[in-house]
Amino acid sequence: KNEVEQSPQNLTAQEGEFITINCSYSVGISALHWLQQHPGGGIVSLFMLSSGKKKHGRLIATINIQEKHSSLHITASHPRDSAVYICAGRVGGGADGLTFGKGTHLIIQP
Amino acid sequence: EADIYQTPRYLVIGTGKKITLECSQTMGHDKMYWYQQDPGMELHLIHYSYGVNSTEKGDLSSESTVSRIRTEHFPLTLESARPSHTSQYLCASRGQVDSPLHFGNGTRLTVT
Repeated sequence: KNEVEQSPQNLTAQEGEFITINCSYSVGISALHWLQQHPGGGIVSLFMLSSGKKKHGRLIATINIQEKHSSLHITASHPRDSAVYICAGRVGGGADGLTFGKGTHLIIQP
Repeated sequence: EADIYQTPRYLVIGTGKKITLECSQTMGHDKMYWYQQDPGMELHLIHYSYGVNSTEKGDLSSESTVSRIRTEHFPLTLESARPSHTSQYLCASRGQVDSPLHFGNGTRLTVT
């Protein structure tokens, strides 16, 4: 079982809808990352957070450390938001590489 | 605005060939990583480096090797490619632990 689980796996919505993607992790983490991967394969870091909430444009990320849960919200979604959204956390000690979720494949239809 | 570069972007080679995937970053980051990603699957760490002359294997066993002779350069080598190595390889870097990762655009490798 992956230590970082995302839901839903796939999401199709209409332009303008409010989008929520969830990430749960089974062990303690020091920071959680939200990443965006476009069809070409390149990955962009959207947020890194260890508590509370962060906002950038139409994107909002929240984290609840006690519940081991984070959400990524997209307001006023647009077709250009279509991508795979990945959460990742550093789990435990040792290498500071990250454990990644499988991603949420988001399609926003015009 | 990419400050981390991977070449080639796509590579199709025959079984048994030796290949090197290049990764360079201009941000002076000490920490660099190689991830492997199969289609529709999560990224898995295969190698990482904390600085010059420092390399470690990651969580996913890999037949590849890496070197870190210069801070900005972190190449990955496969001595004898096999079809099972077909995958996407992503290089990343960051300055400090728990700071944002910067990713290259990836190399999509196909071994025939």
